[in-house]
Formats: sequence, C-alpha cells, structure tokens
Amino acid sequence: GAGVSQTPSNKVTEKGKYVELRCDPISGHTALYWYRQSLGQGPEFLIYFQGTGAADDSGLPNDRFFAVRPEGSVSTLKIQRTERGDSAVYLCASSLRQGREQYFGPGTRLTVT
Amino acid sequence: AQSVAQPEDQVNVAEGNPLTVKCTYSVSGNPYLFWYVQYPNRGLQFLLKYITGDNLVKGSYGFEAEFNKSQTSFHLKKPSALVSDSALYFCAGYSGNTPLVFGKGTRLSVIA
Repeated sequence: GAGVSQTPSNKVTEKGKYVELRCDPISGHTALYWYRQSLGQGPEFLIYFQGTGAADDSGLPNDRFFAVRPEGSVSTLKIQRTERGDSAVYLCASSLRQGREQYFGPGTRLTVT
Repeated sequence: AQSVAQPEDQVNVAEGNPLTVKCTYSVSGNPYLFWYVQYPNRGLQFLLKYITGDNLVKGSYGFEAEFNKSQTSFHLKKPSALVSDSALYFCAGYSGNTPLVFGKGTRLSVIA
C-alpha cells in the first residue's frame, strides 16, 4: 500500500517568508508526527496529532511554527517569518495509533536563504 | 529527560562478518525501543522494536536486537553483514506518553 508522502520534496525560500509543508499519512493511521532533522543529527520531535487534535506540541521551537490536521488525515506544518536556522529536513511519520511503530515519509528539505 | 545514545559515529565491518551497532537509553519507566535505517535520499525505515517480552527481538533483513535492562542497552546485531546493509542507523525510544527520542545515528559501512 501507499506509504507516507510529503510535498514538496524540496523547498527553497527567502528569509522572512512563509512556508507550508504537507504530509499525507498512511490511510487508517490515527497518529501523525512531525520531526526536524538537521545534518548529522537524529530526528527531533516537533508535534504529535491524535486524530484532529495536537496531543503534544512540546517540540515546536517557537510560535513561528504551527501545524494543523483539520480532518484527521493530511497535515500541514506552517512556518512564519522563516529564518536561516530553520533550514533542515522536515520529516512526517504516521502510526496506527500512539505507541505503535512509526512509518516515515521521505521528508521535505527546506532551505532558507 | 529521556535520551538515547549511540556512542559510535561510524562502524566498519567486512562483508560476511557479524555486525553490532550500539545503543544505550535513559528512559524512565518501561522503555519502548526501536531501530530505524536510513538509506541515501530515502526516509527512515522501521527495522524492529522492543515493547515487552523476549529480550531478543528479530526484525527485517535478518537484523535482531537484544534488550538488556541492567546495562540499559539495545544493541543492533546481524550475524553476517552484506554490502547492501551500508546505511545510517538510528536507535529511538520513549516511555509512557513522552515523545520518541532518537540517537544521533551510526553510519555502517560494510566493505566487500
């Protein structure tokens, strides 16, 4: 079956601009996660959705970052007033429910110039 | 705070030899532990998990991992390495409702 998909695969934006990153989870997976991976590091947790609600957003670095999952399926990660330090690969994962193994998408590489 | 450590940045092994990629964890409560593999330009792929039960867990592609509570370790192993096993390996863990935390990754290089 189809895995987790993320669009775009690459995004280059100028400092100060707004970006949206999209994640399409595996069908039927109720849990959805966003991570950020910098070069040479493991993924760092950003936010977790159970259904439509953000069950844990403790990993969001500041209020420029926001994510939604309005219908409990597709999720969008939104970054306002981007900074060069936001450059990283943003990973999305989904699982059947919280606690089960997570399946990752290929990521969106964000470059802020 | 929950944490997972992978003490080796790089592991080199000859094809056909056994391989071990090390992981230690610091997780309060009962740990849930995972191994993922990342190939170039591809997403992380789930290899195996420990939730409860047998300390030796078998996973995909012939990999296995041993949960050792006294040493707080969850090392990844394979009896005979293949060149195609060369990739970046991540250990991850959590407990209760805490987020999944990842190690920094270990690059495995299998030499023919």
